[in-house]
Amino acid sequence: DIQMTQSPSSLSASVGDRVTITCQASQDIDNYLSWYQQKPGKAPKLLIYDASNLETGVPSRFSGSGSGTDFTFTISGLQPEDIATYSCQHYASLSLTFGGGTKVEIK
Amino acid sequence: EVHLVESGGGLVKPGGSLRLSCAASGFTFSRYSMNWVRQAPGKGLEWVSFMSGSIGSDTYIHYADSVKGRFTISRDNARNSVFLQMNSLRAEDTAVYFCAREGIFGVVPRYFDLWGQGTLVTVSS
Repeated sequence: DIQMTQSPSSLSASVGDRVTITCQASQDIDNYLSWYQQKPGKAPKLLIYDASNLETGVPSRFSGSGSGTDFTFTISGLQPEDIATYSCQHYASLSLTFGGGTKVEIK
Repeated sequence: EVHLVESGGGLVKPGGSLRLSCAASGFTFSRYSMNWVRQAPGKGLEWVSFMSGSIGSDTYIHYADSVKGRFTISRDNARNSVFLQMNSLRAEDTAVYFCAREGIFGVVPRYFDLWGQGTLVTVSS
């Protein structure tokens, strides 16, 4: 199975900061990667698909990049409502797997 | 407005069975593939199962290795619902189970653009 290593597992940043999360695949997954936001007690929400495509209705401060094995998710200007856990997910094979998640908090 | 609402969770003993339901509204359900994804308490997300929408007379179904042979996914397009029959339940199946709509037409699971709120399944004696 393809393993997704996400880092950091948690971070604390100030409102307005640029926040970066990385996800590394154990083998080449092309651009078959999505990113989700999950607030406590809520369902995940799709933010990015195909590594860099912004889902309809998602604010443009969220972005994704990368291909192959190394991927980056960025919030360019952290807002209080962005407090959540963010997870990557590959879909390069039938054994879809998610990263371990990054909990984002306000400093 | 589009919605997915899960039901059927609860407490079950190891070795027992449970059937989860997910009711969809606000979109043409039959055209979409559907998935079940679970999340153990305090843990990350784990994809469980996929069932395609109508593709001619064919239906495509996939399972995670961890549930293959124990769980069965099905759907009733007339009732806009997808189900997950869970048999031979184990403690490690304890999780919140989400139904999730496939974000793109296809015969394999990809990414999920609409999620329900989830239903909790607890397997314990």
